[in-house]
Amino acid sequence: QKEVEQDPGPLSVPEGAIVSLNCTYSNSAFQYFMWYRQYSRKGPELLMYTYSSGNKEDGRFTAQVDKSSKYISLFIRDSQPSDSATYLCAMRGNAGNMLTFGGGTRLMVKP
Amino acid sequence: GAGVSQSPRYKVTKRGQDVALRCDPISGHVSLYWYRQALGQGPEFLTYFNYEAQQDKSGLPNDRFSAERPEGSISTLTIQRTEQRDSAMYRCASSPGQLFSGNTIYFGEGSWLTVV
Repeated sequence: QKEVEQDPGPLSVPEGAIVSLNCTYSNSAFQYFMWYRQYSRKGPELLMYTYSSGNKEDGRFTAQVDKSSKYISLFIRDSQPSDSATYLCAMRGNAGNMLTFGGGTRLMVKP
Repeated sequence: GAGVSQSPRYKVTKRGQDVALRCDPISGHVSLYWYRQALGQGPEFLTYFNYEAQQDKSGLPNDRFSAERPEGSISTLTIQRTEQRDSAMYRCASSPGQLFSGNTIYFGEGSWLTVV
C-alpha cells in the first residue's frame, strides 16, 4: 500500500461545477500538505500549501486537512476549462526535505 | 535563469548504455532535488542536494544511479547500464532553501528517458 493514495480519475465535470479532489495518507508524521497542478507535458506547479489541520482559501481554491482522518481535500469552485489538468497532492514531515506525492487525479472541465 | 532548466528534454538510448541528465536550477536556489515520474503516477523522490552536498540519496533505486552537484549549481543525474525499467520522466526541482524552513519547490519540465 502506498503512503499517499489518490483516485486517478479521470473526473469529468461541466464548467461552473464545484470539484472535490481528495487524498488519504497513512504516515501520521506528515505535517505539511500541498496541492500541485500539472498540465500535460509540463512540470507540477504549486497551488496550495497548508500546515496541519484546518482550511485555507485562495480565490476559487480551498484546501482542507483533517489529520485525525488522515484525509486532505482540494475544492475548486466555479470550475473553468482552464482548470483541466492533473492534480497532485504532496506532503512531508516536520524535518523532512522530501515530498511524498499521490498518484494524481486527472480533471476535465467541459465547456 | 527564469525557471528550472533540464536537458535533454527527450532521450532515447539503447539498453546497457549510460545516460547523463542535466539540471540547471533557478538562480540563487541552494537546494536541488531529483524526482522520477512514471506515466500516470506522481513524482517519486530520488535525491536531494543542499549547495554541493548530497544530503539524502535514499530514493535512488540502486547503485546504477548517481547524482552530483560539484559547484552547488548545475546537477547531473547519471544512470549507468540503463535498463528498460528506467524509462520514465526525470524531474529536477529547486528551492531557495531547505523545505523544513518553509520553502517550496519549483519543478522543471523534465527529461523524458526511453530505454529501448
